[in-house]
Amino acid sequence: DTGVSQDPRHKITKRGQNVTFRCDPISEHNRLYWYRQTLGQGPEFLTYFQNEAQLEKSRLLSDRFSAERPKGSFSTLEIQRTEQGDSAMYLCASSLSSGNTDTQYFGPGTRLTVL
Amino acid sequence: GQQLNQSPQSMFIQEGEDVSMNCTSSSIFNTWLWYKQDPGEGPVLLIALYKAGELTSNGRLTAQFGITRKDSFLNISASIPSDVGIYFCAVNLQERRFGAGTRLTVKP
Repeated sequence: DTGVSQDPRHKITKRGQNVTFRCDPISEHNRLYWYRQTLGQGPEFLTYFQNEAQLEKSRLLSDRFSAERPKGSFSTLEIQRTEQGDSAMYLCASSLSSGNTDTQYFGPGTRLTVL
Repeated sequence: GQQLNQSPQSMFIQEGEDVSMNCTSSSIFNTWLWYKQDPGEGPVLLIALYKAGELTSNGRLTAQFGITRKDSFLNISASIPSDVGIYFCAVNLQERRFGAGTRLTVKP
């Protein structure tokens, strides 16, 4: 399967702990996006990379959140000192930007529960 | 301003019925997209629309990019049980902005 993969699929942690999620995009895709989705809502944009450069960050991305894409391939999203409000599904998407089109393909997500 | 208003929030229909849902905004967009999300999975792109007035089909799905560029519609004909899920509209800004979704339930 050559789609977007995310690891882990589920994470349960205690408040105050740090967590790190990984996303492996489709191999030739140059853009990688992170979204957060809470129950009953659509995904909300957090940040995106073009190759290894982080080009945009949402104001939703507090100082406790950091994302990296060191070699322009896989990406990690770290949340430090987790809070109960961080509980959500974290989705990764990748795309091959070309002209006007930028079709994003989503991974299955990592569901985070902060106790 | 750039908020997407998606309706209805939920629909309960009988298998075989047609379905219509829409998304509106007070802002103009250059792209409208429709996704479907199954429980525990990421959204899957169904249809992408790039031109005002464009009407595009994907099997039993048909979507239209409104002529004012402020709205879009998705129709599903002859629904089947596997159409169950949450349908999201989305637009392309620098990032992608999503509506709150329409939850579709199909009764066999």
